[in-house]
Amino acid sequence: AQSVTQLDSHVSVSEGTPVLLRCNYSSSYSPSLFWYVQHPNKGLQLLLKYTSAATLVKGINGFEAEFKKSETSFHLTKPSAHMSDAAEYFCVVSEISMEYGNKLVFGAGTILRVKS
Amino acid sequence: SAVISQKPSRDICQRGTSLTIQCQVDSQVTMMFWYRQQPGQSLTLIATANQGSEATYESGFVIDKFPISRPNLTFSTLTVSNMSPEDSSIYLCSVEELRGVIGELFFGEGSRLTVL
Repeated sequence: AQSVTQLDSHVSVSEGTPVLLRCNYSSSYSPSLFWYVQHPNKGLQLLLKYTSAATLVKGINGFEAEFKKSETSFHLTKPSAHMSDAAEYFCVVSEISMEYGNKLVFGAGTILRVKS
Repeated sequence: SAVISQKPSRDICQRGTSLTIQCQVDSQVTMMFWYRQQPGQSLTLIATANQGSEATYESGFVIDKFPISRPNLTFSTLTVSNMSPEDSSIYLCSVEELRGVIGELFFGEGSRLTVL
């Protein structure tokens, strides 16, 4: 069965500095991986997705993530943080297996704080 | 991408009562899911809403507590029955599009329930 570990529950950066949100996954099969963002009092919005194509995935609002199979990682990055990036971010793994069908597993979330 | 409307957006309920949450999608979708997000926690899948048949519940969730309906491809309801303060959560409807990427979900803004 798959699992997701988000290594930091909180990350704080200054506006204009790089963002790194870390995610490691465990999967028995070839997974699809996603990052979702949740702004306060809002639903979740898809930032980007990896589905076995290019390992470097670009998403909305300048975010990108790199799938590294050897490290079982899918870290989310952004070169320069903006105040509007302050939100909670969820790493999600999806896999289809004979045993479990299509299952999505959400990480615990990382709250990103951006200081002015 | 699918647009999802959830009602109510928030409610305050008395212990022992039941509340039905509605989810309406603006296009036909294959899969509809109900998630719970307890305060400060990640998302937990309650069940998959199946059109015209009983929902598929995850471990720890039962039909008597969370009855679900899905009469057609664009509408579903989740009822939280006999509520207690432990049911205070955000309940999120999500969908997977008919021709979308498996595992890529679109979310409503959630229904924030507070049980007194």
